Amino acid sequence: GQNIDQPTEMTATEGAIVQINCTYQTSGFNGLFWYQQHAGEAPTFLSYNVLDGLEEKGRFSSFLSRSKGYSYLLLKELQMKDSASYLCAVRDSNYQLIWGAGTKLIIKP
Amino acid sequence: GAVVSQHPSWVICKSGTSVKIECRSLDFQATTMFWYRQFPKQSLMLMATSNEGSKATYEQGVEKDKFLINHASLTLSTLTVTSAHPEDSSFYICSATNPGLGSGEQFFGPGTRLTVL
Repeated sequence: GQNIDQPTEMTATEGAIVQINCTYQTSGFNGLFWYQQHAGEAPTFLSYNVLDGLEEKGRFSSFLSRSKGYSYLLLKELQMKDSASYLCAVRDSNYQLIWGAGTKLIIKP
Repeated sequence: GAVVSQHPSWVICKSGTSVKIECRSLDFQATTMFWYRQFPKQSLMLMATSNEGSKATYEQGVEKDKFLINHASLTLSTLTVTSAHPEDSSFYICSATNPGLGSGEQFFGPGTRLTVL
């Protein structure tokens, strides 16, 4: 079966750095996405990785290792508004998106 | 751009009635739209994939006669929850892909919160 694993919940301090991991087992791979979802709102796109390596976009970076079936989302200089759920999703060989359950990130002052 | 709108943003209805939710791509043509459902504190659940001009593809366990999907144009898809019951109360979200963007990320509408009394 297809599976995406990410931690259920993480806590970090305002101003710090946090890394949210995602491991996947899917039938084929055609890209990995990270989305942010605030409570009661729809997800918003954060990043896309299809090749190995690090993609940096401002305070957020996303890393991919296809051989390890592993990705992480790195958030720097955490702000209170970063408190949200972060969803990892992998596009399989049929171009279907397989979603992780999401990681709830709690930022403390 | 890639803006997706949904209407209504919330709806309360009586058990047994039908509710229609609209999803529109505002600044691009979306050949494919997706309908999701999300229960509180749970992840997104894909209900169906909607292709313009053809029948929707439903995920296993989703009743196609209960959740009617119509994708009549390249900018509009509708989801009708027929004979709604309290267990259908959920957050319904649509998304669309912009064929002009190579990565194929999905752009989400703001969601519709359905409460069935």
